[in-house]
Amino acid sequence: DTAVSQTPKYLVTQMGNDKSIKCEQNLGHDTMYWYKQDSKKFLKIMFSYNNKELIINETVPNRFSPKSPDKAHLNLHINSLELGDSAVYFCASSQNRGDGKLFFGSGTQLSVL
Amino acid sequence: SQQGEEDPQALSIQEGENATMNCSYKTSINNLQWYRQNSGRGLVHLILIRSNEREKHSGRLRVTLDTSKKSSSLLITASRAADTASYFCAPVFGAPLVFGKGTRLSVIA
Repeated sequence: DTAVSQTPKYLVTQMGNDKSIKCEQNLGHDTMYWYKQDSKKFLKIMFSYNNKELIINETVPNRFSPKSPDKAHLNLHINSLELGDSAVYFCASSQNRGDGKLFFGSGTQLSVL
Repeated sequence: SQQGEEDPQALSIQEGENATMNCSYKTSINNLQWYRQNSGRGLVHLILIRSNEREKHSGRLRVTLDTSKKSSSLLITASRAADTASYFCAPVFGAPLVFGKGTRLSVIA
């Protein structure tokens, strides 16, 4: 059983389209995250949710909208995709212990053409 | 900046050799984490060292922490080809983890 699973693994789409990435964790964790890893391998925090509530929203265009229907799921919807959105997006989860131990999904490689 | 900065950016060694990666950070921390990322995969947690610890071992991994110098090191002994990956440090101080560019380790068989 995969602890943190995200779908799809690959996403190729045209500029201007709207797409969603889904994430689910079966670890019973309270907190979920979305990270973006660009071509230079920088991994940047985008959002953090704790028990379905948004607690961190870094400087991310409002075309990106996270949605958490329950604490096991955190989906990422992206409107009006741009070339610069091409990256690998990682979902992660953690128990809210503040020890920094995150469990990551295997990533979604988004290519905007 | 809040992330750790790993050095060197890239490291290539022969199988069986030891690999040492360094991390520097700027804030006071509660603890520090090391993660590994294999190509095309997500990060995997390797080891945590608390701010009151100076050294920690886990199998072939040895982590040191010097809070006075705001630095940490990760030593992988007797490296294997399967250790080829990127390694990231993450200082923990109560906010979501912020990562640097990592050290790309290549272990040549």
